[in-house]
Parts: sequence; structure tokens; C-alpha cells
Amino acid sequence: DAGITQSPRHKVTETGTPVTLRCHQTENHRYMYWYRQDPGHGLRLIHYSYGVKDTDKGEVSDGYSVSRSKTEDFLLTLESATSSQTSVYFCAIGGGGGMGEQYFGPGTRLTVT
Amino acid sequence: GQQVMQIPQYQHVQEGEDFTTYCNSSTTLSNIQWYKQRPGGHPVFLIQLVKSGEVKKQKRLTFQFGEAKKNSSLHITATQTTDVGTYFCAEVIIQGAQKLVFGQGTRLTINP
Repeated sequence: DAGITQSPRHKVTETGTPVTLRCHQTENHRYMYWYRQDPGHGLRLIHYSYGVKDTDKGEVSDGYSVSRSKTEDFLLTLESATSSQTSVYFCAIGGGGGMGEQYFGPGTRLTVT
Repeated sequence: GQQVMQIPQYQHVQEGEDFTTYCNSSTTLSNIQWYKQRPGGHPVFLIQLVKSGEVKKQKRLTFQFGEAKKNSSLHITATQTTDVGTYFCAEVIIQGAQKLVFGQGTRLTINP
């Protein structure tokens, strides 16, 4: 498995609180991604990064922000969590060359009550 | 926006039976990737298809890309309990970074 870790792995939070999820990679890869996975929807791209301080929106970016101050870390922030953001969040790296495959982290299960 | 439809949503088979999942798009796809996610796990890359009419095999798995590059399929011959999981196709969109638009997935369960 690619060197990708996510923290925390599980979190329960209350509506209206801020939440930050961390993705850390040891592969020195340029591209990083945040997805959310919900039943019946597959995985949907939230935000992605194509370099330090270079980020862009995905298809479901409303209510989320990201930051990438170092190559190895990509942070996803929910400024004010809502129950609709209860989901499993996956970080991924890759997609820039070769077969173009993406490698996924183990995921973070977030519950907003 | 782009949309990839995947069917069926669920499939239950007896061990040893074959299994097929299909992905369809209304627009021409550049490339398509397939991933497998075991229960409780994360998606794992299986293969990428690039060429029209392409067929690739990995042991008991056969991947096809349609001639018009608007559909793709994954066929598993003689399923085994290790094949249990959800299979996703993903449209590859190259805009600097290589973004993926996933189908809804097909969840495969197997009766041993």
C-alpha cells in the first residue's frame, strides 16, 4: 500500500462545530484528493491539490475548504459541520502519470450529530 | 456534468458463478479505470482502459472498453469468496490533475 495515513480514523462531532481531517503521504506525490463516500453515490470528489498551495474544487465542494502548506499534508476543513456531512472521507494521491491510478488512504468515518 | 452510470447496484451469486458489472456514459470517455473496495476497506486500483475496443485480462477478471468509448464492463469468471466487495468504474478527466468521476458501484456478495 502507498504511504498514506488519515487522521482521525473516526470522529463524532456536533452540528455547527469546525472539523479538520488530515491526510499525510510519504510518497512525495504532487497530486492529492479528498473524496466522500455515501451509499448509492460512490465516491465524489470534494477538492484536490496539484501542488503546495495549489488547490481546486471538485463536484461537491460546498461547505468544505482545504489547505496544503507542505507536499506531504492535505487538510480538509468543515467550517461548521452539518448532518449532511456525515460520511466516510477518503484521501487519495496519484493520477499524474504512468497508469494514472490513484492510491487511497484508509478513510475517516465522520458522524455529525 | 459528466456522469457514469453503473449497473447493477447489487449482485448476489453462488460461488463459482460468473459476475458482470457495466458502466455507461452518454458522452465519450477519454479513459476509464476500475477499482475494488473490500467491505470496510478503501478503493484499490485494478486497471485502466484507454483504447477503443480494448480488452484486458487479469486472471479471472476481464475488462472491456466499448468501441465508441461510451461503455465498459468487468466480468469475473467462476467467482470466489475473495471476490466479495464493491466494484467501481471511474471516468478519468484530465485537467492538469487526473480527476476521477466514479460510478455508483456494484456490490458483489457471494454464497459459498
